Amino acid sequence: AQSVTQLGSHVSVSEGALVLLRCNYSSSVPPYLFWYVQYPNQGLQLLLKYTTGATLVKGINGFEAEFKKSETSFHLTKPSAHMSDAAEYFCAVTGRAGTALIFGKGTTLSVSS
Amino acid sequence: EAGVVQSPRYKIIEKKQPVAFWCNPISGHNTLYWYRQNLGQGPELLIRYENEEAVDDSQLPKDRFSAERLKGVDSTLKIQPAELGDSAVYLCASSSRGLETQYFGPGTRLLVL
Repeated sequence: AQSVTQLGSHVSVSEGALVLLRCNYSSSVPPYLFWYVQYPNQGLQLLLKYTTGATLVKGINGFEAEFKKSETSFHLTKPSAHMSDAAEYFCAVTGRAGTALIFGKGTTLSVSS
Repeated sequence: EAGVVQSPRYKIIEKKQPVAFWCNPISGHNTLYWYRQNLGQGPELLIRYENEEAVDDSQLPKDRFSAERLKGVDSTLKIQPAELGDSAVYLCASSSRGLETQYFGPGTRLLVL
């Protein structure tokens, strides 16, 4: 069974500041890990994913995440926040391709000027 | 390439009324998922299809919810009768056989009054 915990339901940063959104997972099998972004009244858009291989993965819009097995974490970062990054971010896990994603509760990112 | 298409985008109904949602997945994607997203939560799987077969419907409330995927392409999710607690966003996603990435549609936002 899998589960996801996203620490912090709401994160606020200033434009140009570092963005750090935290995700810890639980999985009884090697996980596939994902970060999705959701803008108001829209569906989920894939930011990045980890399957196997390199533990630092780069995604769209300057985001990246590092898979740390020993810490069961997959935190999302971006060096410099932009106003357009304001959205809801979801971390998700699955144990096998083609099966249900298990999502965290999401983190709302606010960016102020 | 067209993404996942859902309709309607918004639906307001009275409780006890029926409602149906339609989804057309990305062309060639054999796996189709219906998720429900309650306010302030991450999506949760309702049902998963591989081609026309429902392979995971353990979380579908079968007393009032039904789904079909005729010919293994588009799918319909129905609620009859709707209850106040069914107010949520219903998301459809699809993926290609053996691949882990799920692509989401824009969702249908349901309000039951």
